[in-house]
Amino acid sequence: DGGITQSPKYLFRKEGQNVTLSCEQNLNHDAMYWYRQDPGQGLRLIYYSQIVNDFQKGDIAEGYSVSREKKESFPLTVTSAQKNPTAFYLCASSEGQGPGDTQYFGPGTRLTVL
Amino acid sequence: DAKTTQPNSMESNEEEPVHLPCNHSTISGTDYIHWYRQLPSQGPEYVIHGLTSNVNNRMASLAIAEDRKSSTLILHRATLRDAAVYYCISSLAPFGAGTTVTVRA
Repeated sequence: DGGITQSPKYLFRKEGQNVTLSCEQNLNHDAMYWYRQDPGQGLRLIYYSQIVNDFQKGDIAEGYSVSREKKESFPLTVTSAQKNPTAFYLCASSEGQGPGDTQYFGPGTRLTVL
Repeated sequence: DAKTTQPNSMESNEEEPVHLPCNHSTISGTDYIHWYRQLPSQGPEYVIHGLTSNVNNRMASLAIAEDRKSSTLILHRATLRDAAVYYCISSLAPFGAGTTVTVRA
């Protein structure tokens, strides 16, 4: 089945530790995205990538880092510089970044920092 | 990117139609209108999208105003499984808080 996988579903970390969230897609999509969602809120864009080895900051990139070494993978690292990292993290992909391109989302990773 | 405006919440009875409005008064001529929905603790899923003409698929219908400043997502017969947060976005514009749809049995 084609789709996007995120692992793990739940992640717990101690304050001050970096943590990396996995996102893999087998849709052969060029564009990939990371969003953060807080309770009762919409999605906020952290980073996006239109092509391998290239990525751009979204609206709330501070305290996060990404890499795009392979087309199918777009891991997100939540660093200790992120002041309030506890949230629901969603990865998405789209065929391109044209106005008609639809985003397909993974199931999300819920990160809790203790 | 055009911002969209949606009501915070809507309620419906099971098997009745649901009409979800969305305002996008600053939309450009090439921006598509996309609708997604999100169930609790899940990622959003695609519902429907369109540019100018009304669109239908197995999940819903999308009615786009002639001036493209607004659109309406229509769920023809709401079921309990349609209870979700529905997001209307213009192309790659930010996701707002969406409309929370509650379906009463």
